[in-house]
Amino acid sequence: DVKVTQSSRYLVKRTGEKVFLECVQDMDHENMFWYRQDPGLGLRLIYFSYDVKMKEKGDIPEGYSVSREKKERFSLILESASTNQTSMYLCASSLGWAWGATYNEQFFGPGTRLTVL
Amino acid sequence: AQSVTQLDSQVPVFEEAPVELRCNYSSSVSVYLFWYVQYPNQGLQLLLKYLSGSTLVESINGFEAEFNKSQTSFHLRKPSVHISDTAEYFCAVSDRGRNQGGKLIFGQGTELSVKP
Repeated sequence: DVKVTQSSRYLVKRTGEKVFLECVQDMDHENMFWYRQDPGLGLRLIYFSYDVKMKEKGDIPEGYSVSREKKERFSLILESASTNQTSMYLCASSLGWAWGATYNEQFFGPGTRLTVL
Repeated sequence: AQSVTQLDSQVPVFEEAPVELRCNYSSSVSVYLFWYVQYPNQGLQLLLKYLSGSTLVESINGFEAEFNKSQTSFHLRKPSVHISDTAEYFCAVSDRGRNQGGKLIFGQGTELSVKP
């Protein structure tokens, strides 16, 4: 079974703090994604990566950065946390196209609920 | 650009009643379609998918969805729901082109609440 783990289930930070959210997958997947989930808005893509050290902006990258130094780990960084970044953050991974897949099912972690005070 | 609209934010039903969760999408290219389910305090799990072929797809726990190209819809149905089906359901679309890295566009979600 694919397993995607996130470093914390719940996190409380103060405005202006630097926040790191970590995600690790154990299935050698090429693609990794960070979403935020807000009521009434569904999931919105923040950043994704389809290789080590590669990253692309999603739909709402402002205020966030990412790091992928190793294939299994994808970190989301809030350089200076703000209250409007209070949300549920979900990480996902999927196999790369090189494997000849018709499509790429995304496997999700359990989420990190971040509260910024 | 692609978009997904889930027409109902909340759907309350009684146990053993039928249910339909509606999903419409817009896209200028061919797409793959998905339904994901999120049980309380968990991440998302793939429920079912439409890739090609038969427009009616089924899940192992009794849900089905039908791809309707002319109406650009992918509604989710179950003839008889259980308490354990209480969850949030997300419809998603993916471009068939490989240059998008398998990105998914999600709808707003529908909270299904099954009451005894």
